[in-house]
Amino acid sequence: GQNIDQPTEMTATEGAIVQINCTYQTSGFNGLFWYQQHAGEAPTFLSYNVLDGLEEKGRFSSFLSRSKGYSYLLLKELQMKDSASYLCAASDSNYQLIWGAGTKLIIKP
Amino acid sequence: GAVVSQHPSWVICKSGTSVKIECRSLDFQATTMFWYRQFPKQSLMLMATSNEGSKATYEQGVEKDKFLINHASLTLSTLTVTSAHPEDSSFYICSARVISGGDYNEQFFGPGTRLTVL
Repeated sequence: GQNIDQPTEMTATEGAIVQINCTYQTSGFNGLFWYQQHAGEAPTFLSYNVLDGLEEKGRFSSFLSRSKGYSYLLLKELQMKDSASYLCAASDSNYQLIWGAGTKLIIKP
Repeated sequence: GAVVSQHPSWVICKSGTSVKIECRSLDFQATTMFWYRQFPKQSLMLMATSNEGSKATYEQGVEKDKFLINHASLTLSTLTVTSAHPEDSSFYICSARVISGGDYNEQFFGPGTRLTVL
């Protein structure tokens, strides 16, 4: 079956670095997405990886290992506004997104 | 990025009534649109996938006669919740996707519609 696993909740301190892990199993693979979702709002796109390696975009970076079925989202210089849920989603052979349950990130001052 | 709108943003209705939610891609043509439902503190649950001009494909457990989806044009899809009941109260989100050569098939999300059924 198809499955996405990510931690339910994480806590970090303002100014620090946090890594949110995601493992996936899909029928075929056409890339791995990370979305940010604030409470009561729709998800917003953060990153996309289809090749192995690290993609850096400002304070956010995303890593993919296809052989391991593994990705992580790295957030640096955490700000209070980064408190949100972070959703990992893998695109399967039909380009359909298989969603993780989301990781709620709590930032403390 | 591409913009997707939803209307209404929120709606409160009486039990037994029907509610229509519109999803529009404003600056691109969406070959495929998705409808999701999200209950509090839970992840997105895909309800159905609709391709322009064809019948929607519903996920297991989603009643197609209760959640009517129409994707009549490349910029508009509608979801009608028929005979709504309190358990249908949820956050409904649509997304639109364009598949093109070299594109990574990102889904662009609408802002969501919060439905409350009394």
